Amino acid sequence: AQSVTQLDSHVSVSEGTPVLLRCNYSSSYSPSLFWYVQHPNKGLQLLLKYTSAATLVKGINGFEAEFKKSETSFHLTKPSAHMSDAAEYFCVVSERNSGNTPLVFGKGTRLSVIA
Amino acid sequence: GAGVSQSPRYKVAKRGQDVALRCDPISGHVSLFWYQQALGQGPEFLTYFQNEAQLDKSGLPSDRFFAERPEGSVSTLKIQRTQQEDSAVYLCASSDIDWGSGGLQLETQYFGPGTRLLVL
Repeated sequence: AQSVTQLDSHVSVSEGTPVLLRCNYSSSYSPSLFWYVQHPNKGLQLLLKYTSAATLVKGINGFEAEFKKSETSFHLTKPSAHMSDAAEYFCVVSERNSGNTPLVFGKGTRLSVIA
Repeated sequence: GAGVSQSPRYKVAKRGQDVALRCDPISGHVSLFWYQQALGQGPEFLTYFQNEAQLDKSGLPSDRFFAERPEGSVSTLKIQRTQQEDSAVYLCASSDIDWGSGGLQLETQYFGPGTRLLVL
C-alpha cells in the first residue's frame, strides 16, 4: 500500500524567505510523486511531478522538489516566498506504469506568508 | 481550453435526501476519478472509470454511493439517503492515458473545482 506523510500541518514564513514543505512517502512499487496546491475555493492545481526522470523536478511558480529514494522523501522548496503562495499544499503518490491507480494524498500543509 | 467542470458548486441537502453531483471531464480524457475531501483533510479516492467502465469502486464508503459514466464522458455521483457524515467536498479529476512504449502510464490528473455538499 502507498502512503504519504506531510510532516508539518502548518508552515509560516515571511515574504521573501525560503519555503520548505516536507513529505515522506511509502510505496511498494516505483512511485510517481506529485505536489498539488489548493487555493481557497479553487480546484487543485499541479505544481510538479516526478515520474523517474531527473530526481530534481522543477515546477511552476518557482517551486521545485527533489526525489531522494534513500530517504523516501520528496520535499518541496522555493527560494523566496510570495504572498500569493499562501495556500494548502498536498504531497501525492501513485503507482507508476499503471493506467488506473488513484492518487493517494497526504493530509496537507497550510502555508502562510507574512508580509 | 476548457478544464474539468462540476455542478452544482454548492449543495445543501436535508438528511435522508438523495443528491446527484455532475462532472464534465476534459474532452477526450479516458480516465475519470471521484474523490471525497473532508474538512481539513486531503482528498480520498472514491471510484475510477476508464471510458464507460467503472474499473474500481473500492473507495465508495457505502452502498448509498453510486457513480456512473454511461457514454464515457460526463459522470454523475449519486448519494442516496444522505447522512451528515457525507458532508464534504466532492472532487472530480480526469486524465488521458499514455499507451506508449514505456508501458501503460497514467497521465496527469486535472481536477475540477469541486462540489461542496452540506447535509443538515
